[in-house]
Amino acid sequence: GDSVTQMEGPVTLSEEAFLTINCTYTATGYPSLFWYVQYPGEGLQLLLKATKADDKGSNKGFEATYRKETTSFHLEKGSVQVSDSAVYFCALITGANSKLTFGKGITLSVRP
Amino acid sequence: KAGVTQTPRYLIKTRGQQVTLSCSPISGHRSVSWYQQTPGQGLQFLFEYFSETQRNKGNFPGRFSGRQFSNSRSEMNVSTLELGDSALYLCASSLAGEKNIQYFGAGTRLSVL
Repeated sequence: GDSVTQMEGPVTLSEEAFLTINCTYTATGYPSLFWYVQYPGEGLQLLLKATKADDKGSNKGFEATYRKETTSFHLEKGSVQVSDSAVYFCALITGANSKLTFGKGITLSVRP
Repeated sequence: KAGVTQTPRYLIKTRGQQVTLSCSPISGHRSVSWYQQTPGQGLQFLFEYFSETQRNKGNFPGRFSGRQFSNSRSEMNVSTLELGDSALYLCASSLAGEKNIQYFGAGTRLSVL
């Protein structure tokens, strides 16, 4: 079955540091890939998406590139802010359904 | 445009009781999916409804059920609650379901005592 593997957390960074969160996937078929973010006490918000190989999703300074050859979708940001502190989930959808398969999520804490 | 609305936000129940959670999707969205979020298991898919029909189902016992109304609003029901059902239940809506972006509500936090 489909699966998403995220790097172990939590991650603590200082403000303005560079962020990379690794995500790899296993899927039957050709998935669409997503990053969702969850702030404390809230639901999930879509951060960015990519639907085909070599697509780059970007939003709010975050970027991720769909790498089919390495089955990866790593999230990056050049300079994190305290307000980026949240839990980040990598996810995918395959085929003719709307079932999102999520990674376990990683907690990011950014110190001033 | 209003987002996905889930009610109630918080619930406390005791073992053996049943509970009904409600989800109002974004206007025009016909697909509603439900997810369970727990610290141990993470985010797990429960089921998806589209045009009042269950289109997809996750690996949960029959105590978990749902339905969708003609206005696309959805409810999920959990009968004979167990301690392990304590979780954040998230609802997501999308235009048609197939690889479309899913928009999530804030969730219902269920505590089973």
